[in-house]
Formats: sequence, structure tokens, C-alpha cells
Amino acid sequence: DIQMTQSPSSLSASVGDRVSFTCRASQNMSINMSWYQQKSGRAPKLLIFAASKLQNGVPSRFSGSGSGTDFTFTISGLQPEDFATYYCQQTYETPPLTFGGGTKVEIK
Amino acid sequence: QVQLQQWGAGLLKPSETLSLTCAVSGGSFSGFYWSWIRQSPGKGLEWIGEINHSGTSDYNPSLKSRVTISVDTPKRQFSLKVSSVTAADTAVYFCARQNNDVDDAFDIWGQGTLVTVSS
Repeated sequence: DIQMTQSPSSLSASVGDRVSFTCRASQNMSINMSWYQQKSGRAPKLLIFAASKLQNGVPSRFSGSGSGTDFTFTISGLQPEDFATYYCQQTYETPPLTFGGGTKVEIK
Repeated sequence: QVQLQQWGAGLLKPSETLSLTCAVSGGSFSGFYWSWIRQSPGKGLEWIGEINHSGTSDYNPSLKSRVTISVDTPKRQFSLKVSSVTAADTAVYFCARQNNDVDDAFDIWGQGTLVTVSS
């Protein structure tokens, strides 16, 4: 299995801040990385696929980068609606498809 | 617009079988893989398995011995069964579409079903 390690597990930030967090894979997975946003009680929402491609309808303040084993997710100009938990997921190898443990973005 | 609507029993006793169904409305059914994913209370996401319209399936090895995913293509539905459930199977279960147009990510999700296992 490809293990996905997200860090930090939580962070506090203010509206307007630029925030970044990372996901590290246990083996090389090219650019087969996706990022999701999940708000409390809701299903996850796809934001980024193939490491850096923005899903249709997702605001451009969200971005992703990286390849191989190290990936970064960035929100440029945090908005009130962005406070949520974010998960990375690898689509490089299955079974199983695997997710990171999540990064919770909280209001400072 | 593609939508996934899921349903099933929300309260089970230990050793019973969990059964959930997901119906797909709108869009193509045959061009995708359809997955089940669960999330234990306060925890992260765990992929359970997937199936396509012709019944080709794959499972998470950690659950494979207890899981069956089936498909009813004429009805545009797919189903999950997990046998011999324990408290560890308590989770919100989601159905989702895997789309190779977005690098096989999950682009459409069901609303989620909370399944509680308790004696």
C-alpha cells in the first residue's frame, strides 16, 4: 500500500492568509495526487487532480504542486468558506487507493 | 447533472451484514468505476472497493474477506455488503464516481450514510 502522510494535522490561520500544507507518499507516485475539501457533515469535494490541475468550478486561489513523493497544497488568500479539512489521495496504485489523514484549517 | 443517491440500514448489531445501495442519475453509467468509501467518526477516509458496469470489481485487501460490491446496470445502481460487522465498522459510508478524465479521482459523491454497529 502507498501510505500518505499529511502535515500538519491542523493549522490556524486568518482570512486573507496564504496557507500551505504537504502530503508525503511512501513511494514514488508520479503526479497521481488529488486533493479534496471536506466540511463538517458533508461529502468530500474534489479540488485538485493530477497534482496541479484545478477541477472545474474550483476557485483559482486553490493550487497544488509536486511530483514523486512530495506534494503541496496552497490556498492563496484564505476565505471564510475555506475553513475545512483537506485530504490528499493517491491514484497511482490500486488496490488500495489511499488517502492522507487530513489537515484541518481552523480560524485563528 | 450527475447525482448519486444512497440508502441503507443505519443501525446494525454485531455479526449482522451491512447493506447499502447507490443510484446514479444523469450522465453515463458505463464509462466509469463506482466506489464505496467510508469514514469512521473523527477519522480519515478509507477506500473499500470499486466496480464497473460489467461487474469487474476490486477491493481493499484489508476488507476483502468481508466485502462484496455488486452492480445492477439496467437500474444504474451499485451496492455494498459487509458481513460480520463489528463496532469498528461504524462509519459514514459514501458512494463515489471515479473519473479518468480527472486522473481517476472521485469527482461525484453521494450524500453519505451513517452506519452504527451496536448491541
